[in-house]
Amino acid sequence: RKEVEQDPGPFNVPEGATVAFNCTYSNSASQSFFWYRQDCRKEPKLLMSVYSSGNEDGRFTAQLNRASQYISLLIRDSKLSDSATYLCVVNNAPGGYQKVTFGIGTKLQVIP
Amino acid sequence: DADVTQTPRNRITKTGKRIMLECSQTKGHDRMYWYRQDPGLGLRLIYYSFDVKDINKGEISDGYSVSRQAQAKFSLSLESAIPNQTALYFCATRDSRGAYNEQFFGPGTRLTVL
Repeated sequence: RKEVEQDPGPFNVPEGATVAFNCTYSNSASQSFFWYRQDCRKEPKLLMSVYSSGNEDGRFTAQLNRASQYISLLIRDSKLSDSATYLCVVNNAPGGYQKVTFGIGTKLQVIP
Repeated sequence: DADVTQTPRNRITKTGKRIMLECSQTKGHDRMYWYRQDPGLGLRLIYYSFDVKDINKGEISDGYSVSRQAQAKFSLSLESAIPNQTALYFCATRDSRGAYNEQFFGPGTRLTVL
């Protein structure tokens, strides 16, 4: 089983739609979680951190479910500019060292 | 100016050539990372460094070497490039103080090995 798994998509959704992505992780001791956004041929950039209590930033909501070992990203009222690949990132600390693991990313295409 | 810079941004080289990719950061972060990204495989860690004297292999270090010349500089070398090292390479930095500190990425180097 991969440490971090994502559906690569693509998810093709119309403008204005709500779309949700999940990401599962295998290490129950994982400590911190993030969603990054990556535009084509560009570097990944932090979209939002995922806290235990969940967090929201405008149209974006991130949730963590430790019992089932997954994080989710919900995008409401999708915009054309949301088209990108969304990377799930999980940190854990085997032996005291922080280990950062990236999922392969989920591609979102918002259609006019 | 960008906080994390990479040079060159694009490079085409031939099989067997030695090539070095350079990364510099002005963020003052202690940790630096080299990744490669291939379609369908996502980001894979090549090497990482927790400080100037601490260098560690990642999941795909074979065929690569690194040097942490200073806290701000981390270079990646391909001693004898081969075509399957054609990829997009990213350098990243992170501040170790705090579990929720994000990684910051450079703009990437697109390497083609013919």
